[in-house]
Amino acid sequence: NAGVMQNPRHLVRRRGQEARLRCSPMKGHSHVYWYRQLPEEGLKFMVYLQKENIIDESGMPKERFSAEFPKEGPSILRIQQVVRGDSAAYFCASSPLGEEQFFGPGTRLTVL
Amino acid sequence: AQSVTQLDSHVSVSEGTPVLLRCNYSSSYSPSLFWYVQHPNKGLQLLLKYTSAATLVKGINGFEAEFKKSETSFHLTKPSAHMSDAAEYFCVVSESNFGNEKLTFGTGTRLTIIP
Repeated sequence: NAGVMQNPRHLVRRRGQEARLRCSPMKGHSHVYWYRQLPEEGLKFMVYLQKENIIDESGMPKERFSAEFPKEGPSILRIQQVVRGDSAAYFCASSPLGEEQFFGPGTRLTVL
Repeated sequence: AQSVTQLDSHVSVSEGTPVLLRCNYSSSYSPSLFWYVQHPNKGLQLLLKYTSAATLVKGINGFEAEFKKSETSFHLTKPSAHMSDAAEYFCVVSESNFGNEKLTFGTGTRLTIIP
């Protein structure tokens, strides 16, 4: 059973471009969480999704950020019009309901 | 609201000596508590978790943690440090809310092992 997969592992964007981060949960997991880790900080919760539903987006910035977890395919975290402050590591985790979260290796976004 | 405080941002110990990483938590309900480890440029690996069973929790790689409700603490220990233990350690709390297990992370403790 492959673990949580995230791609790309590294992403470089210029200010104003769009960033798309993908997360494929572990087989059989229907719950996905996204976290952001700024340099020298712990991870901060962004959003919790189940298939085709956003359950909790209380940690998402109000503008430019969106997330989806379609019926088929990976979960996508989308950042429009990136700014330097968006540079961070973005981690995805998946779980079955009420169980331990398994983390992916992260995507490191650099905004030039 | 839930929160965790990791009392030390950096800890250095000599190889073969005990490790103590301190964590205090705040939670409105009966929390689940975790310790995760992150090696440089890697993802997070679960070391151990407390979910209201035994208060002394044993994890992987010889780590253990004790849940002390009266002190609201969940300190991580290991009897003898190994060079491979050098990493960032995160104390994490979760309050299940209708199945939403969103995690709240501490700011991390960087563990350095001195040869």
